[in-house]
Amino acid sequence: DGGITQSPKYLFRKEGQNVTLSCEQNLNHDAMYWYRQDPGQGLRLIYYSQIVNDFQKGDIAEGYSVSREKKESFPLTVTSAQKNPTAFYLCASSIGSGQFNQPQHFGDGTRLSIL
Amino acid sequence: QKEVEQNSGPLSVPEGAIASLNCTYSDRGSQSFFWYRQYSGKSPELIMSIYSNGDKEDGRFTAQLNKASQYVSLLIRDSQPSDSATYLCAVRKYGNKLVFGAGTILRVKS
Repeated sequence: DGGITQSPKYLFRKEGQNVTLSCEQNLNHDAMYWYRQDPGQGLRLIYYSQIVNDFQKGDIAEGYSVSREKKESFPLTVTSAQKNPTAFYLCASSIGSGQFNQPQHFGDGTRLSIL
Repeated sequence: QKEVEQNSGPLSVPEGAIASLNCTYSDRGSQSFFWYRQYSGKSPELIMSIYSNGDKEDGRFTAQLNKASQYVSLLIRDSQPSDSATYLCAVRKYGNKLVFGAGTILRVKS
């Protein structure tokens, strides 16, 4: 089945530690996105990538980093510089930047907490 | 002013009634509009998209768009307890970025 796979489902971070959240899609989508959701709030864009080897900062990129070495994969690293990382992290993908009517589809998310 | 605004609710409706969810947006250049449903603890799932002024129907769901007034709404007919969720409005401004509202909590009482 085609879809977006995020792992792990739950992740715990120690003080000063970097952690990496995985996002893989087999939908052949060009564009991929990372969002953060805090309780009772909407989704805020962290980073997005419209093509392999290229990505742009979203609204809340500080303390995060990404890479896009393969079309299928868009991992997110939460660095120690992110002082409030506890949140629900959602990865999404869509067909491509030229297809403006195409929606984004989401993975099941990763819940990150501080130990 | 937030770019995309929704009433946080909760909106409570009896089973079988019509639920009306509203969303306003600030950028007149917005091109595409999406409604996502999010159950507690789960990820958002797309239920409707609309791009042109007017109504778009899909089963029990109707999306309505009025670009002149800068609002988009979602009607759910014959509401069921399984419709109880948070409904997120998302607006595409430029590129392929979406801006999300904070969501409206819907509770359907049996």
